[in-house]
Formats: sequence, structure tokens, C-alpha cells
Amino acid sequence: SQQGEEDPQALSIQEGENATMNCSYKTSINNLQWYRQNSGRGLVHLILIRSNEREKHSGRLRVTLDTSKKSSSLLITASRAADTASYFCATDEGGSEKLVFGKGTKLTVNP
Amino acid sequence: DTAVSQTPKYLVTQMGNDKSIKCEQNLGHDTMYWYKQDSKKFLKIMFSYNNKELIINETVPNRFSPKSPDKAHLNLHINSLELGDSAVYFCASSSGHNTGELFFGEGSRLTVL
Repeated sequence: SQQGEEDPQALSIQEGENATMNCSYKTSINNLQWYRQNSGRGLVHLILIRSNEREKHSGRLRVTLDTSKKSSSLLITASRAADTASYFCATDEGGSEKLVFGKGTKLTVNP
Repeated sequence: DTAVSQTPKYLVTQMGNDKSIKCEQNLGHDTMYWYKQDSKKFLKIMFSYNNKELIINETVPNRFSPKSPDKAHLNLHINSLELGDSAVYFCASSSGHNTGELFFGEGSRLTVL
């Protein structure tokens, strides 16, 4: 079953701009994770936010989590061409052992 | 020193054939997974093993048979390949089965003709 739904499906911005991607999910969770996938490559873990956390930062990444709205956002500040990739959110459905991924947002950063 | 390595990277075969994809991790993790990514980039879990024991079997046709000879290896054998099996198959590992960070391999692109 599909848990996370990313929005938008595709995003195109200029270098230096900020990029915001959203994720909505359906069931309760223990944590939510964001991954990046460059074209033709495997997924790389970016950040994990637990259900009792509201915001987390890692370098140019900022993740927020609103469990009341069952949604999360990933903000990439001062984007670079190298940030061009697909970004996926993933959640554990109802705290299960299974990590379920959304369909992803394809981000294009134009130089 | 690749953390999660899978072979082959590309696999082109005819319908009805049997093929295997191998995965090895050198991270010392206890849990390994197989995910399938379709042409629309949707990533779906297929199997999960924890210390050689099957934990998750996500309604995958029994033509797919995972095998874990030890906790560092998880292979995927597919019998009687069908056109719909064409996808990219990703192996991943994690330190536990509590859905912490997953480490992914680079993927194996299977094309069934």
C-alpha cells in the first residue's frame, strides 16, 4: 500500500532559490524519513524526523512534521544544480516494521 | 568499499526465463530488503529479512523467491519472468528492523522482452 504522497510531482527552480516539497501520509507513524535519488542511482537517506519532533535541520535541509495534519515538508535552501534529483518521503505505517515510500517529487535546479 | 552492492546492474532477458539478482552488504547490518521501483518511480517493498529470517513478504507472486544464506547476503531469484517484472530492483539494509535509516544499493534494472 502507498503511504506517503509527495507534492508537487515535479518542481523546476533556478539555482539559489529555495525548494519546498510536501508529503502527506495516512496512518500514525513513529518516524518519517526523506530520501534523495539521483537519476539512475540508488536512494540516499537525507534526514529522519521522529513523531515527537516538529522540526529538524541538516545543512541546507529543513524538515517539518505536523502529525495533526499528517504532513511533512522538506525545504532545501539556496539550491544548487547538484540538488537536481527525485525526493521521496517514507513512513512506517502505523509503527510497523515496513518503510513505505511515496511517489516522489522530481526537482530540477537550473543553473 | 561499497556498502550495499548488487549484481548485475543491468539484466535483459526473455519472457519465461529464470534469473537471479545478488546483494551483499558490508555494514554489519542485521536487516536486508528488496524493493521494486516501477517505471513511474514508485518504490514498493517486496521482502525483508532480519538475520536470515523472513520478516516481511509483501504479497509478491511466488515466482519471486528471496534467499539469505547469511545476514550479509540477500539474493532474489525470479522464475518464469513476465513482461510486468520489468523494473529496477533495489536491495537495502538497515541496522535493525525498526525502520531506521535504509542504505540502498545502486539498483538492478531488469528488462523482460
